[in-house]
Amino acid sequence: RKEVEQDPGPFNVPEGATVAFNCTYSNSASQSFFWYRQDCRKEPKLLMSVYSSGNEDGRFTAQLNRASQYISLLIRDSKLSDSATYLCVVKLPTGGGNKLTFGTGTQLKVEL
Amino acid sequence: EPEVTQTPSHQVTQMGQEVILRCVPISNHLYFYWYRQILGQKVEFLVSFYNNEISEKSEIFDDQFSVERPDGSNFTLKIRSTKLEDSAMYFCASSTTSGGINEQFFGPGTRLTVL
Repeated sequence: RKEVEQDPGPFNVPEGATVAFNCTYSNSASQSFFWYRQDCRKEPKLLMSVYSSGNEDGRFTAQLNRASQYISLLIRDSKLSDSATYLCVVKLPTGGGNKLTFGTGTQLKVEL
Repeated sequence: EPEVTQTPSHQVTQMGQEVILRCVPISNHLYFYWYRQILGQKVEFLVSFYNNEISEKSEIFDDQFSVERPDGSNFTLKIRSTKLEDSAMYFCASSTTSGGINEQFFGPGTRLTVL
């Protein structure tokens, strides 16, 4: 089983739509969870951290289900500028290395 | 806003040659990382570095790879004898601390092409 698994997409949605991405992780000892955004041929950029109680940042809502080892990202009122690849990222409590483990990403295309 | 910088943006080399990729982390950050992303694949961790020593490395980071902080600002990744499969985007990242939800900031990457 992959450490972090995501549906690669692409998700093609019209502007203004609501879209949800899911992610599962294999290691129950995973400690911290994030959604990063990556534009084509660019570096990953942190979109939001994911807290156990769920959290919201404007149009973006992240949820974590530790029992199911499942993370989600909801984007409301999609904009053209939301078109990107969304990376689910997990951090394990490893030996001080602080490494991030990335999923392959889910591609989103927002269309007029 | 402070940012991680990387040079060069694109490096082309012949198989078997040595390359050095350079990074300038954010100035008050203490933890440094290298990741790589082969075209069309996921971002993969290579190595983390703190207090002038490697704190963790992945299976990818074999004897052909080394990292160094030669001065107070630069952080380098050296590949001694490049292989075709080393062709990838290499991202440097830095963070203030290691714990919890502490964000790692990524540089724009160096695209390495091995011919």
